[in-house]
This record gives sequence, structure tokens and C-alpha cells, in this order.
Amino acid sequence: GIQVEQSPPDLILQEGANSTLRCNFSDSVNNLQWFHQNPWGQLINLFYIPSGTKQNGRLSATTVATERYSLLYISSSQTTDSGVYFCAVDGSGGSNYKLTFGKGTLLTVNP
Amino acid sequence: GAVVSQHPSRVICKSGTSVKIECRSLDFQATTMFWYRQFPKKSLMLMATSNEGSKATYEQGVEKDKFLINHASLTLSTLTVTSAHPEDSSFYICSARGLPHRNSPLHFGNGTRLTVT
Repeated sequence: GIQVEQSPPDLILQEGANSTLRCNFSDSVNNLQWFHQNPWGQLINLFYIPSGTKQNGRLSATTVATERYSLLYISSSQTTDSGVYFCAVDGSGGSNYKLTFGKGTLLTVNP
Repeated sequence: GAVVSQHPSRVICKSGTSVKIECRSLDFQATTMFWYRQFPKKSLMLMATSNEGSKATYEQGVEKDKFLINHASLTLSTLTVTSAHPEDSSFYICSARGLPHRNSPLHFGNGTRLTVT
């Protein structure tokens, strides 16, 4: 099946700093999503971005499908941004459109 | 829109009992739902794909007799952990996708934290 690699695995920032999270995937994809999992376990949809660039407030994401990677940018980070960020993809050969998750990036934003 | 409701959010049960977890799509129809399991500090692992009106498709290594899935309507899928044991303690999350299935995002419930004592 499709492989999803995220980097870095851990990231510690001071409040106000910017960061870039990366997601590499091993095959063509129909669907790519970025999620933020908060300390209570809730998965928050950040972006549905199989290709192109999107922005939502301090967050933006870019997926370069031809080169099989996606980037999540967090600007002016806040302590509430802390948590695990997951990239998940649905390989184009799949028939049920199920998502395969990366191992996540644990982000800690210190005040 | 596209809200997925999961219930209960937390359950504690004794070893040997069964636990049912419900997953509902509140404002859309979902012919397909997905059940994931997450261990502490780990990623989400797909357990099974739940298809409305037919048998679920289980991922390799997932015991179908242990994790019973029923998808009786377009808005409800249930996962029953049968004869639960402490090693079944985990965080279970369901998800569903609205139409068109191929080009729309997956939406997740808030998860169920199961503790088997």
C-alpha cells in the first residue's frame, strides 16, 4: 500500500515562531488531508488538498502532487497550536477511498 | 456541514463484556464509513471499511469476530468490541465521507476512549 512519511517527528517552538511540516507519499493520490489532533483526541480537519495551495488564517498548505509531497505552514504559532499534526492520503488506486495516515508531527509551542 | 457524531466518548467496561460504539453522519448520507484505532502516541490505523447494506471489509490482522461492524443505514455504523480484554483498550475513531465520495474530504467523529479493566 501507499507509504506516508512525515517530518519532523517532533518540533518545539516558541510562541510567535513559524514552522513547516512535511509529508512525503509514495504514490499518486486522489485525496490528501491535513489534520490537527488536540490533546483530547479530536481530529480537526485543516485542509483537503490533493494539489495546489490553500490558506486559512495563519495556516497554509501546498501539495505538489507530481513530486509526491505536501507542506503545512504555521505562522505566528500560538500555544493552542500544540498537538499532533497528521497527513493522510488516499491512493489513486484505491476503490474505497480510505485514508492512510502518517505517523504525525508532535508540535509543542511554548509561551 | 459534514458532521460525524460518535458515541460514547468514553467507556469503561469489565473484561469479558461487549461494548458498542455508534457513528452517525448527521447532515449527510454515508454509504461508506471507516473505523480507525489509535494507540497512545501512535498514528491512526484503519481497522475496517463499513459499507451500508453489506459486510464490512477488514484490514489484515483485524479480527472480524472480535470487532463486529454493522452499517444498517446510510447514517449509522456501529462497532461492537466483543468479549473485551485489557489489550482492546484504545482510542477508536470513526469517519465518513460525503458525496462525491472520490473527491471529498473524510470527516471524523470525536472518538471513543475504551478502557477495559
